[in-house]
Amino acid sequence: AQKITQTQPGMFVQEKEAVTLDCTYDTSDQSYGLFWYKQPSSGEMIFLIYQGSYDEQNATEGRYSLNFQKARKSANLVISASQLGDSAMYFCAMREVSGSARQLTFGSGTQLTVLP
Amino acid sequence: GAVVSQHPSRVICKSGTSVKIECRSLDFQATTMFWYRQFPKQSLMLMATSNEGSKATYEQGVEKDKFLINHASLTLSTLTVTSAHPEDSSFYICSASSPLAGGPGNEQFFGPGTRLTVL
Repeated sequence: AQKITQTQPGMFVQEKEAVTLDCTYDTSDQSYGLFWYKQPSSGEMIFLIYQGSYDEQNATEGRYSLNFQKARKSANLVISASQLGDSAMYFCAMREVSGSARQLTFGSGTQLTVLP
Repeated sequence: GAVVSQHPSRVICKSGTSVKIECRSLDFQATTMFWYRQFPKQSLMLMATSNEGSKATYEQGVEKDKFLINHASLTLSTLTVTSAHPEDSSFYICSASSPLAGGPGNEQFFGPGTRLTVL
């Protein structure tokens, strides 16, 4: 079974609108971390936001927020007020304590296109 | 923030030659470095994890003799693709990690990637 599932290969959003990118995960660990990265066409991986499994509050970083629903094992990324520069590939990732130190497992990604 | 560089950013080589890619942590000492491979429109696939001064741990299905990884210092790891073939053409990304660098969650710092094309 896949550990990280992103079911939206592609998403479109109108500029200035909000968009939610889905991510579900599978782990038997009690302690784990969830990450979102942005990868523009240049290829660099840009860290956006992190949620620890024990964090009670949903993580927020500027226009990014993580909708963490532990019981459902979902960690959706919400981008508010989309900008043209948000067009990129977005990856959800997980780090499990039982795995190698700081090793990340990535989902298949969602290609977001922001329309003017 | 912590900076990781990769060199070269782009390389084209003939089939059968070897290519070396360098990954450097510029402003911190990386206890662990990771090497990923990414095909177009696909996710990052972990190839190997290397700790300074010890042998790399390769993921299942990754040929150790094909992809040689050396992590000789706390700031440098190299990936050598030996006897490269067209199917090795891909985007290779390294990342570096240290318990002393970054904040909660921001512990793995990625290089800008190297695009390898084997003719």
